[in-house]
Order: sequence, then structure tokens, then C-alpha cells
Amino acid sequence: GNSVTQMEGPVTLSEEAFLTINCTYTATGYPSLFWYVQYPGEGLQLLLKATKADDKGSNKGFEATYRKETTSFHLEKGSVQVSDSAVYFCALWGGYNKLIFGAGTRLAVHP
Amino acid sequence: GAGVSQSPSNKVTEKGKDVELRCDPISGHTALYWYRQSLGQGLEFLIYFQGNSAPDKSGLPSDRFSAERTGGSVSTLTIQRTQQEDSAVYLCASSLENTIYFGEGSWLTVV
Repeated sequence: GNSVTQMEGPVTLSEEAFLTINCTYTATGYPSLFWYVQYPGEGLQLLLKATKADDKGSNKGFEATYRKETTSFHLEKGSVQVSDSAVYFCALWGGYNKLIFGAGTRLAVHP
Repeated sequence: GAGVSQSPSNKVTEKGKDVELRCDPISGHTALYWYRQSLGQGLEFLIYFQGNSAPDKSGLPSDRFSAERTGGSVSTLTIQRTQQEDSAVYLCASSLENTIYFGEGSWLTVV
């Protein structure tokens, strides 16, 4: 069945450091891929998405490229800020009426 | 409204009581989802509604959980005879195509 695997957290970085959060998936067909972010005490917000191979989703300085050959959708940001501290969820939509989420990766950015 | 609206935002209830959680999806969105997020855990799919089709209830954890969607819009998730393990954030989401937008969640605490 469909599944998503994310790197375990927490990820702790200093401000302005480079961020990578790894995400790989298992799916039949051609799923759409998403990153959601959950700030402390808040609900989930869509951060970015990609719907086909080689697409790059981007938003708020974050990027992720849909790599079908490696079944990956790694999240990157060149220079993180304290305000980026949150939990990040990778997810796939492969049909079957549901979005499949990874376990989430907590990011803590220190000044 | 502009986003998915959920109420109550916080609910504390005694073990054994019934609770109802409400969701107003984004206007025009035909699909509605309920997810559960337990403390320190990932997101668990509960139920999915799409138009007038029979709902996908495959994620409901027990027969104490039920949901309905009236008029293709507002949905209510009902938990009967609540248990402490039901304590979680219950997230509602809606979509028009394959991008899902979440509400802020209803934080349920069973004491």
C-alpha cells in the first residue's frame, strides 16, 4: 500500500543554516506529493505541493522536487529562521480517498 | 468563510460522556475529511465524505465514533462514551480536487 517515510526529528539548527528534511514514499501509479507545516498550537497548513515527476513546489523560501526515480520529495530551505520552528509533514495523495502522512519532523531553529 | 472552520476549538469532557465536533468546510468543496492527531503521534485518517456518495468509514477506530454530513456541507463527528485514549486533536479538512485544506482542529481532552 501507499506509505510515506520521513527522517526522524527533532532537527535542531541555528538561524540562517541550510535545512533538508528527507521524505521518501511508496505508491503505485503517480501520486501527488505535499508538505504541510504545523506551527505550535495551530492546525496544518499546506506549505507546497507537486503533482508530477520533476515538478518543483516552492513557498516561503522552501522547495521540494518530485523525484520519481528515487521516490523522494525532500524539503529544503537555504536559510532558516526562528519562525520556521514547527512540525513538518510530508504527504501523498494516491487516490483511495485519503492523504497519507509521514510521522512528521520537528524543526527547532535557535537564534 | 475563507477557510475550514471547526468548533469547539477546545473541549474538556468527563470520561463516559458523548461529544460532538463540528466542521464547516470551504464553500464549494465537495470532499470532507476527518483526521485525528494524538499527542506526539502522526495523523490518523478517520472518515471521508464525497458529494452524495457513501462515506469511507474505514479509519474510524471503534463503533463509538460516527460522523455525518448534512446537505453536502457541514459535518459533525460524534464520539460516544468517551475514553481517555480519545484525547487528541481532531482535524477536519476539505478539498475540491486533490489539494486538501485543514481547519485549526478541535482539541479534545477526556478526564
